[in-house]
Amino acid sequence: SAVISQKPSRDICQRGTSLTIQCQVDSQVTMMFWYRQQPGQSLTLIATANQGSEATYESGFVIDKFPISRPNLTFSTLTVSNMSPEDSSIYLCSVGQGYNSPLHFGNGTRLTVT
Amino acid sequence: EDKVVQSPLSLVVHEGDTVTLNCSYEVTNFRSLLWYKQEKKAPTFLFMLTSSGIEKKSGRLSSILDKKELFSILNITATQTGDSAVYLCAVEARAGNMLTFGGGTRLMVKP
Repeated sequence: SAVISQKPSRDICQRGTSLTIQCQVDSQVTMMFWYRQQPGQSLTLIATANQGSEATYESGFVIDKFPISRPNLTFSTLTVSNMSPEDSSIYLCSVGQGYNSPLHFGNGTRLTVT
Repeated sequence: EDKVVQSPLSLVVHEGDTVTLNCSYEVTNFRSLLWYKQEKKAPTFLFMLTSSGIEKKSGRLSSILDKKELFSILNITATQTGDSAVYLCAVEARAGNMLTFGGGTRLMVKP
């Protein structure tokens, strides 16, 4: 399976600031997604990162808060904007190759907002 | 709305025990069910199930899907402390790899 490098691994940020998380894959992938895992919770899909076009956001997530870029088939970024303590979560990049292939995850970014 | 429910919420066993984790789902357009193991941050892929009644096996872990009753089980035999983790069940019910996750089962294996 693809090797997925996500950084930073963790960060502590002050409220009101923004953090950009990077996801780099060692091969071209069809699908890239961003998930959030709040403390003690399961994974929730934030958006699908579409190559060369605007991301597709799930209900409850908006572009102004979570802008996403995907300039090519191996790289994507997620920005968490104007952070508040409620944004403290693990953010996970994931990749898939479409039908009948499993989704694989990067190592995640543990974000703490103070 | 697609729904995935896992049970039990948590489980404590001793090394050598066998455990069975459950996952039930209600989705409108089932494509596949996946199991993941999450030890720290990153879920690692275990199994992908698409057909009923066909057991998937990897070492001491095995899983099976029942599409009629809408559930799956994950079995771990001869548990080891390294099996301690959160086990996540997810269902792909939308095109393009998008998954809906259950709440997870936290397994602790004591020496």
